Order: sequence, then C-alpha cells, then structure tokens
Amino acid sequence: AQSVTQPDIHITVSEGASLELRCNYSYGATPYLFWYVQSPGQGLQLLLKYFSGDTLVQGIKGFEAEFKRSQSSFNLRKPSVHWSDAAEYFCAVEYGNKLVFGAGTILRVKS
Amino acid sequence: GAVVSQHPSRVICKSGTSVKIECRSLDFQATTMFWYRQFPKQSLMLMATSNEGSKATYEQGVEKDKFLINHASLTLSTLTVTSAHPEDSSFYICSARSSTNQPQHFGDGTRLSIL
Repeated sequence: AQSVTQPDIHITVSEGASLELRCNYSYGATPYLFWYVQSPGQGLQLLLKYFSGDTLVQGIKGFEAEFKRSQSSFNLRKPSVHWSDAAEYFCAVEYGNKLVFGAGTILRVKS
Repeated sequence: GAVVSQHPSRVICKSGTSVKIECRSLDFQATTMFWYRQFPKQSLMLMATSNEGSKATYEQGVEKDKFLINHASLTLSTLTVTSAHPEDSSFYICSARSSTNQPQHFGDGTRLSIL
C-alpha cells in the first residue's frame, strides 16, 4: 500500500539555524507531493507543491523542497528558521485523487 | 486566494445531539471537498470525498449514516454528525479544491466535544 514516512516526530533547532524535514513515500509512479504546516488548533496551510518539472520547488515563508526520484524523497528545507516557524509539518502525497499524509514532524525553535 | 472557511470552530454539546459543520470555499468554486478527522497528536485521516451534486464517497470504516455529507453547491459542503457520542469528539477539518490538478486548501477545523 502507498505510504508516507516522516521519520522525525520532533525536531528542535535554534533560531537562525538551517532546517531539513525528511519525507519519504512509496508509490510506483511519480506522485503529486505537498508540504503543509499546522499551528495548534488550526487547519493546514499549504507551503509548497510538486507536480512536475523542476525538482527544486520554492514555497511560501522561505521554504523549499527537493524531489529526488531515486530516493523517493521530498525533503523540506529552510536556510534560517524563525521562532514563528514552530508548528507541525505534514508531508502529503496524492494517490488516486486522495491525499495520504505522513505522521507529521513537530518543529520546536529555541532562542 | 484559495480561502476555505469552516464553521463553527468549536462545538460543545450533549450526547445524542446532531451537529452540523459547514465548509465554504470563499474565492473559488470547489468541485471536490474532503472531510478529515484528526485525533490528538496524530495525522489527518480522510473520512469522505464529496463532489458537487453527487453522493459522497466514504472511506472504509466510516459510517455514512453517522457522518452525513452534503455538497449542494460549488462553494458549500456540510458534515452532520448524527446522534453524536463522546467517542465522536475530535478535530474535524475540511478541504476543497477547484480541479484535480490543483492542491487542496484547508479550513481551520472544528473542535467537537461531546459531553
């Protein structure tokens, strides 16, 4: 069955440090890939998406993600984290018109 | 652009009550809307997919008589939790998209608490 793996449940980084959140998926073809962010008690906000073309995708709030077909990965990166980036991040893959989410990674930012 | 509004944001009610949650796409026409449930510290689980003017498609294990979904227009879908019980307490989130090659945009969720 198709699945999305976010191996890190929690990540803590210092403000101003770089960030990489990992995401791996299992699927035979090239899927549509997404990263969403969720603040406590709120819905999800789309950070970026990959459908096709350039494998390095730019999103909002200074985030980017790189699709690597050989590794079945779609890792999210940010060069310098701000305290306001503290939230939960979900990687998602679209299979057959449905989104399948990873378990999420909670990002903590320390000052 | 692509704003989805969900109402109410929080509901507290007695066991046996039916609760209706609305999901509206404010600045686009949503051909498809989705309803998710999120348990504490867990990811989102898709409950059902609804296309405007059609019956909703429910995921395995979701009771369609318990969770009634109506998608009467291109901007509004409703989820009614019928005869709610404490085990139905959860965070319910809707999403909407304009077409199959567009991403889903999410509402802010509804925290449902059944006493």
